[in-house]
Amino acid sequence: DQQVKQNSPSLSVQEGRISILNCDYTNSMFDYFLWYKKYPAEGPTFLISISSIKDKNEDGRFTVFLNKSAKHLSLHIVPSQPGDSAVYFCAAIPRRGGSNYKLTFGKGTLLTVNP
Amino acid sequence: DAGVIQSPRHEVTEMGQEVTLRCKPISGHNSLFWYRQTMMRGLELLIYFNNNVPIDDSGMPEDRFSAKMPNASFSTLKIQPSEPRDSAVYFCASAEGINYGYTFGSGTRLTVV
Repeated sequence: DQQVKQNSPSLSVQEGRISILNCDYTNSMFDYFLWYKKYPAEGPTFLISISSIKDKNEDGRFTVFLNKSAKHLSLHIVPSQPGDSAVYFCAAIPRRGGSNYKLTFGKGTLLTVNP
Repeated sequence: DAGVIQSPRHEVTEMGQEVTLRCKPISGHNSLFWYRQTMMRGLELLIYFNNNVPIDDSGMPEDRFSAKMPNASFSTLKIQPSEPRDSAVYFCASAEGINYGYTFGSGTRLTVV
C-alpha cells in the first residue's frame, strides 16, 4: 500500500520552461512534506520542504505547493536547466505521533531537461 | 565535512554468502537510518537508530537482516545468508535529531547472483 505516490515515472521539458512534478498522499497523519533530488550513483539530497500549515514555499527557482484537501503537492522548477535533470522523490512524515522520524518516499520521477 | 560515508560502493556476491555494508554518519548526528531502494518498492526504511539505540526495525525484511551501531560513528547492515532478491541499492542516512533534511550517503549497490 503506497502512501506516497508519484504517478509520472518520467517527465521531459525544454530548457527555460517550467517543470511541474506531482505527488499524492493518502495518510492524513502526514503533516510535513519534502522533495529530494537524486543524481545517478549518488544518494538523495534534500531540496525543499513544506509544512502542512502552509500552502506554498519558495526557494529560488523551486516552489512547492500543497493542497491539503486534495492530499496533493507539486514541485515547480522555473526556469528549468539541464543540470536539473535528475530523479525527484517526494517524501512525507507525520511530525506528531510515534513515527515522527519516518520519511515515506514516493517512487520518484525522472526529470530530463533538454537543452 | 565528508558527509555520510558508505562502503563498499558496489558489492557482488554469491547466494548464501554473508554481506556486510558499512556506514559512517556525519559527526554530531544522533539519528541514523538504513534505507533500501528497489524498482518495485522504491525507497523503504529498514531500521532507525537514535543515539546508537535501535528504535524501529520493523522494516527489516526478515531474520537474515541485522543491523548494529556499536558507537556514534559507525553502523553495519549485515545479510546472512544473502539471496538474489536482496539485490538493491542500500542507503545510509543521518540527521541531527529529528531534522527532516536527512543527509544520505552515496549508497551500496548490492548484487547477489
